[in-house]
Formats: sequence, structure tokens, C-alpha cells
Amino acid sequence: QQPVQSPQAVILREGEDAVINCSSSKALYSVHWYRQKHGEAPVFLMILLKGGEQKGHEKISASFNEKKQQSSLYLTASQLSYSGTYFCGTLGNRDDKIIFGKGTRLHILP
Amino acid sequence: NAGVTQTPKFRVLKTGQSMTLLCAQDMNHEYMYWYRQDPGMGLRLIHYSVGEGTTAKGEVPDGYNVSRLKKQNFLLGLESAAPSQTSVYFCASSGHGYTFGSGTRLTVV
Repeated sequence: QQPVQSPQAVILREGEDAVINCSSSKALYSVHWYRQKHGEAPVFLMILLKGGEQKGHEKISASFNEKKQQSSLYLTASQLSYSGTYFCGTLGNRDDKIIFGKGTRLHILP
Repeated sequence: NAGVTQTPKFRVLKTGQSMTLLCAQDMNHEYMYWYRQDPGMGLRLIHYSVGEGTTAKGEVPDGYNVSRLKKQNFLLGLESAAPSQTSVYFCASSGHGYTFGSGTRLTVV
């Protein structure tokens, strides 16, 4: 049950905000968020555990609504360095393996 | 601290040839994973290991084998490569979040 990410792609100008959504059809224990730049490996951004918490640092944050089995990643006042593909990964329980979504491509224009 | 190291970075194989991809981590993580990444498909789990001497199948295990003889190493083998195995392969280990290696770009012709 691969999580569904939306939108598939988004183009922004520097300084604008973006929201990337991740939805699952099954109950979730946690959600991970990763960013991958072209030709590089995915890099861990944050993990959210069930409980509806919102985490983040500086201008990148995320929320997790376990009742709706959804997570959202918020990028505020986007910078050129935010460009890349963002993946959410979901786990059904603590010992589960991450199932990744297909990704959201984010392109920031100067 | 190197994190997760994958070798080789690039490889071209002929159909039917075999090869082994090596993943090494120096973070003392128990869990290790092999993913493949294809355009528009995201990251798909091939095999994983929850500790030394253990392996298990992921979403797309056919055509691959793995071994975890030492805690720090996780090997991915292709016994008879096929063009459908052309992909970018990532190894990862999990602590707080997953740490990925830099990837292996494999082309099977």
C-alpha cells in the first residue's frame, strides 16, 4: 500500500510557500520525509510519530493526522536550495519497513 | 564518519552476467535495506535485514539475493542480470531515520 503524494510536481518562485501531502489507505505508526536532489541520495528530513504532532525546524515543518492517515510537509519562504524531489515514507508499526511514495518534484525559480 | 558506503558507483553488465553490490555502514545499525529507484516509481524495497545473519524479502525481490554475514555489511547479488534490472540501487541503514548510500547506477545491456 504505497502512500499517495500530491501534487506530483510544483514550480515556485523563491520566497513562496509550498505544501506537499502524503496519504495512506492504512493505519500509520509513523511518517518519514526525505529530500533527494538530482543525482544524489535521499536525505532524511524528519520523522513524525502518531499523536498528531507537528515537527520541523526553521522554514520546513510537517504535521501528521493519524485519524486521516495523512501527513503534510510545509516549506515556507522557499529557497533555491529547497529544489529537489520530496518523498514521504510510511510505516504501519514500529518494526515495519518504510514504503515510499512516488515523490513530489519541487522546482524553485529565482 | 563515513555513514553508508556503496560500491561500485557505476556498472554496465551484459544480459546473463552476475555481480555483487556491496554496502557498508559504520553506525552500528541493526537494520539495513536495499532499494531500487526507477523513474516515476519512487523507491521500492528489494530485500532487507534486521540483524547479522538475517534477511527478508521486500516488495520486488525476484532476481536478487542478499547476504548479511557481518553486521556492517549487506550484499546484493544479481545471479543472471536482465535489462529489467537496469536501475539505480540504494542501500540504507536505519537509526533515527534512514541513512542512504550514494547509489549504484547499473545498466544491463
